[in-house]
Amino acid sequence: QQQVKQSPQSLIVQKGGISIINCAYENTAFDYFPWYQQFPGKGPALLIAIRPDVSEKKEGRFTISFNKSAKQFSLHIMDSQPGDSATYFCAAGGFKTIFGAGTRLFVKA
Amino acid sequence: GAVVSQHPSWVICKSGTSVKIECRSLDFQATTMFWYRQFPKQSLMLMATSNEGSKATYEQGVEKDKFLINHASLTLSTLTVTSAHPEDSSFYICSGLLRSTDTQYFGPGTRLTVL
Repeated sequence: QQQVKQSPQSLIVQKGGISIINCAYENTAFDYFPWYQQFPGKGPALLIAIRPDVSEKKEGRFTISFNKSAKQFSLHIMDSQPGDSATYFCAAGGFKTIFGAGTRLFVKA
Repeated sequence: GAVVSQHPSWVICKSGTSVKIECRSLDFQATTMFWYRQFPKQSLMLMATSNEGSKATYEQGVEKDKFLINHASLTLSTLTVTSAHPEDSSFYICSGLLRSTDTQYFGPGTRLTVL
């Protein structure tokens, strides 16, 4: 019940395309859903986060879509750029956060 | 956003020695900090939750006598890997919890290599 399942494991997108990463959770007590971006050899950096009282949140090219009934949420990266190439982790929780397995995104120039 | 630093960024040590890693919240008070371990191309594995002024809570399978955690102030937590062995080589990352939003802010990580 504590798992967060993330897919796909890896993703290749053309420059300018849309990158979509999906996550599903099981514990309905989770009330905070952040996404982190991690570059090789660096710590994860908070990208965007959402709470279950809204269905969508947009910050620049990054959008989280949240489906509470399906217990799913996704990250959309619009106009993907080579600089977006990184590993993305979804997470769920509150005080204690459960992380997904990560998605390695590569944006082709 | 809130900033967390780690020191050192990398360390190489001989087998059997102890290594201390510091984690500092620079612009907020983190009464709770978390320590993670990350293997290449894998997700973050939570090792322990560090609470200021009290004993750390370790995840199942993590040896508390090997990975000593001290959280002596509102901005500093330390992880000491005692009697390090090559299998302890890994990327160690800490995070500070910003309580007002329940958001974890991560440090840049420490690469430990045990020879």
